[in-house]
Amino acid sequence: RKEVEQDPGPFNVPEGATVAFNCTYSNSASQSFFWYRQDCRKEPKLLMSVYSSGNEDGRFTAQLNRASQYISLLIRDSKLSDSATYLCVVNRRGRRALTFGSGTRLQVQP
Amino acid sequence: DAGVIQSPRHEVTEMGQEVTLRCKPISGHDYLFWYRQTMMRGLELLIYFNNNVPIDDSGMPEDRFSAKMPNASFSTLKIQPSEPRDSAVYFCASRGTGNTGELFFGEGSRLTVL
Repeated sequence: RKEVEQDPGPFNVPEGATVAFNCTYSNSASQSFFWYRQDCRKEPKLLMSVYSSGNEDGRFTAQLNRASQYISLLIRDSKLSDSATYLCVVNRRGRRALTFGSGTRLQVQP
Repeated sequence: DAGVIQSPRHEVTEMGQEVTLRCKPISGHDYLFWYRQTMMRGLELLIYFNNNVPIDDSGMPEDRFSAKMPNASFSTLKIQPSEPRDSAVYFCASRGTGNTGELFFGEGSRLTVL
């Protein structure tokens, strides 16, 4: 079983829609959580960290459920420019390297 | 400020040839990571260094792969001999000590082994 699992998608949504992605992680020693964004044929870039209490950054909301070991990302009012692959990322306690999920592809259509 | 710099951006080679990928991390960053990305397996950690010392190489596929970091501003990932299954995008990333969450990635080296 992969340490971080994501639905690969693609999620095809119209502009203005709200879309949510979930991700599950298997290692209960995971202590830090992030969402990265990767555009086609580009490098991954940090989108936002995920805090236990949930956090928001503009149209993006991230939530963490430690009991169920899942992380979510909600995007409101989708823009064409949101089209990308969203990578769920965890950092295991005592390990300096991040573990990446395979990503969920989002395609926002006009 | 310059980001992480990788070379070559693209490489096409034949099976059995040696491949050397290069990385210059962001100045002042003391962690350097090599990841490999494929459609099938996603982004996988190969090895990472702290202050030029290899810390975890458990992701290196086999003896054909080796990585070095002779100084704080340069690292190499070598594949010898290369095989078609090594075809992937190889990313180098770096970060400073204090920030555990944000890795700064290079643009990647796209390797095709025929």
